[in-house]
Formats: sequence, C-alpha cells, structure tokens
Amino acid sequence: EIVMTQSPATLSVSPGERVTLSCRASQSVNSKLAWYQQKPGQAPRLLIYDASTRATDIPARFSGSGSGTEFTLTISSLQSEDFAVYYCQQYFNWPRPLTFGQGTKVEI
Amino acid sequence: QVQLQESGPGLVKPSETLSLTCAVSGASITRDNWWSWVRQSPGKGLEWIGEIYQSGTTNYNPSFASRVTMSVDKSTNQFSLKLHSVTAADTAVYFCATLVVPAARFDYWGQGTLVTVSS
Repeated sequence: EIVMTQSPATLSVSPGERVTLSCRASQSVNSKLAWYQQKPGQAPRLLIYDASTRATDIPARFSGSGSGTEFTLTISSLQSEDFAVYYCQQYFNWPRPLTFGQGTKVEI
Repeated sequence: QVQLQESGPGLVKPSETLSLTCAVSGASITRDNWWSWVRQSPGKGLEWIGEIYQSGTTNYNPSFASRVTMSVDKSTNQFSLKLHSVTAADTAVYFCATLVVPAARFDYWGQGTLVTVSS
C-alpha cells in the first residue's frame, strides 16, 4: 500500500497570505494525485486531480504541482472560506488501493 | 448534478453487520462511473473501502475484502454497503461517492452518515 504523508499537520495563516501544502508518497505515483478540501461537518470536495488539473468550478487561486513522490497544493491568496482541512489522495495503478494523506489543517 | 444521500442505522452492535444505502439522484446509476464508499474516523483518517460498477463488478480494499459486500440496485437507483463482523474500530462517518476513472478521483460525495459500533 502506498503511504501518503502530508506536512505540516497544521498551518496557521492570515487571509491574503500565500499557502503551500505538501504531500509525499512512499513510492512514485507519477501524476496520479488528487487534492480535497474538507470543512467541519461536510464531505471532502475535490479541488485538483492529475496533480495539477483543477476540478470544475474550483477558483484559480488553487493550484497543484509535482510528480513522482513530491506534490504541492498552493493557495495564492487565502480567503476566509479556505480555512479547512486539505487531503491528498493517490490513485496510482487503480484499482490497487486508493490511499489518502492524514490531512493538513489550515487555520487562522 | 449528481446528488448522493447515505442512509442506514446509526448504531450497530459489535459482531453484527453494518448496512448502508446510498440513494443517487440527478443521474442514473448506469452512468459511466464507479460507486464508492469511503469512511472517516479520528484514528485512521479517510479510508477507501471499495467501489462497484453498474454491472456489479467490485473492487475492494484488501483491508476490508474479507468482510465487505457491495451491491447495486438499478430499479431504485441505489447502491449499498454491508460490512460484516463489525467492532468498535469500525465506528466512523461513512461517505458514498462517485469515482471517475482513469483518474480515480472522487467527484461527488454524499454528506456522510455516522455509524457507531457499540453494545
């Protein structure tokens, strides 16, 4: 099973700041990586897939990059509605097990 | 827009079977995607349980494969999860979701339902 490790666990930031979240895979997943945003009491929301493709209706301030084992989610200018937990998920060689990172909480 | 809604008992006794249904609206269950289950617990975060295609073909996480069953009901536009022999470790919020391949991403999610395993 591919283990996904996210860092940091918590990030304290202010609105308007640029935010960079990291996700590392225990082995190469090529570009088979997605990012999700989850707010309290809600389901995760797909932000990015194929490492850098924004999902439908996702604002341009969200961008993804990376390949292999190192990935980054960048929020160019943090808005108040962006305070949430962010998860990465790999899907290398689906239907081999899909796995998620443990999440990064972005807080004020 | 696809909408998903989980339903089922919120409390299950240890050793019994957890049964959940996901009602699909806004799309046919014969749509070209897979129908998935993901759970979230404080201890283990988000865990992929498995998915089923309209044909009945399934993919299960090996961690659950020995005690999970999924099914599709085209007549009611629903799909279901059964997790057998549950323990307290199966207490979690269970989500149903659509899985679009080949980029196996979860596009649409239900709101989630909390299932507690306790006597």
